Amino acid sequence: QVQLVQSGAEVKKPGASVKVSCKASGYTFTSYGISWVRQAPGQGLEWMGWISAYNGNTNYAQKLQGRVTMTTDTSTSTAYMELRSLRSDDTAVYYCARGGRWFDPWGQGTLVTVSS
Amino acid sequence: SYELTQPPSVSVSPGQTARITCSGDALPKQYAYWYQQKPGQAPVLVIYKDSERPSGIPERFSGSSSGTTVTLTISGVQAEDEADYYCQSADSSGTVFGGGTKLTVL
Repeated sequence: QVQLVQSGAEVKKPGASVKVSCKASGYTFTSYGISWVRQAPGQGLEWMGWISAYNGNTNYAQKLQGRVTMTTDTSTSTAYMELRSLRSDDTAVYYCARGGRWFDPWGQGTLVTVSS
Repeated sequence: SYELTQPPSVSVSPGQTARITCSGDALPKQYAYWYQQKPGQAPVLVIYKDSERPSGIPERFSGSSSGTTVTLTISGVQAEDEADYYCQSADSSGTVFGGGTKLTVL
């Protein structure tokens, strides 16, 4: 079955960077893009961006431009999301999901806590 | 970018029909998608392209579109349907989510 498995929880200090991984299985990795969505505690879903697993093209949310980088490793069917210059309001659960127009399925989520 | 507006909450008794709306100026031109999220879990796609239901999603979930509003309808609501529901739409510039609607089964 199609599955996305994400890396474990992270605790970072303000100003640091975090890199979350998302390993895909059960389908041809390069046939779909991977999107990233985050959810702050008690809040709604926020789209962060998308990467084509076929050619590496990306589309980032405007508010994160310059701080976020999404990459893929087709040899391991893994997508990565790196967020730099972390602030306290970046504390959230970060999800990867298969697809670019709609998202199915989702990874289990990775909690990133930014705290001094 | 555009916005999608959902009611914060909807309440319904078991067996009744729940309707959750999502409004946005771009919806006549773009498809809408719906996700169910239960506490502590990742979202699950329940409707795609306005009214299509993924395999494994119960038939009581349906979607419709009219002008600038799309609607998720849950017929014969069950206790297990209590969750947050999010609409979503996308265009060439990116993706937008609605603010979410908490469905309470009384």
